[in-house]
Amino acid sequence: AQKVTQAQTEISVVEKEDVTLDCVYETRDTTYYLFWYKQPPSGELVFLIRRNSFDEQNEISGRYSWNFQKSTSSFNFTITASQVVDSAVYFCALTDSGNTPLVFGKGTRLSVIA
Amino acid sequence: EPEVTQTPSHQVTQMGQEVILRCVPISNHLYFYWYRQILGQKVEFLVSFYNNEISEKSEIFDDQFSVERPDGSNFTLKIRSTKLEDSAMYFCASSSGTLYNQPQHFGDGTRLSIL
Repeated sequence: AQKVTQAQTEISVVEKEDVTLDCVYETRDTTYYLFWYKQPPSGELVFLIRRNSFDEQNEISGRYSWNFQKSTSSFNFTITASQVVDSAVYFCALTDSGNTPLVFGKGTRLSVIA
Repeated sequence: EPEVTQTPSHQVTQMGQEVILRCVPISNHLYFYWYRQILGQKVEFLVSFYNNEISEKSEIFDDQFSVERPDGSNFTLKIRSTKLEDSAMYFCASSSGTLYNQPQHFGDGTRLSIL
């Protein structure tokens, strides 16, 4: 069975600090996809990134970066120079190949204080 | 950019009543999903729908739930006899179904409150 663990329930940082959100996953599939979604206080789910199991390159998008390591089954998310607008709940999710349902972690609530 | 739209944004219903949540997926998408998020908890899969039939469902999706694609654009979730524990945010999602597992795009959700 697939499982996603986000051990950090809540993180609080001061604006401009860097913060890393951890995600550890379990799957028996050799092909799988990992995702990060952001849920701001307004409640919607915003897609941030998808990564497939064959692509271990780290990715950077502006202040966001992702570190995928198959050896440790982790897909961590770093926000550099955090801003108040980054305050949200962030979910890591996993699915196998195809259009099967996403398995979500419990989420990490990030609070960025001005 | 095309988006998934859900109506209503908030639904308040008496326990035991039927409720229908509506979704308009992105127009060229082929796979449709409903997820549920009880307040403060993680997002949980309910059901997926492809080619006019349910392709997968979770144990949460029991006989009180049903889904339908009544026309070419809408995708609905019906809860027949609502219970207090059905209070949650319900998200609709769709994906294109292409080979490389395009991401599921989510609507803004419907907050369902059962009184």
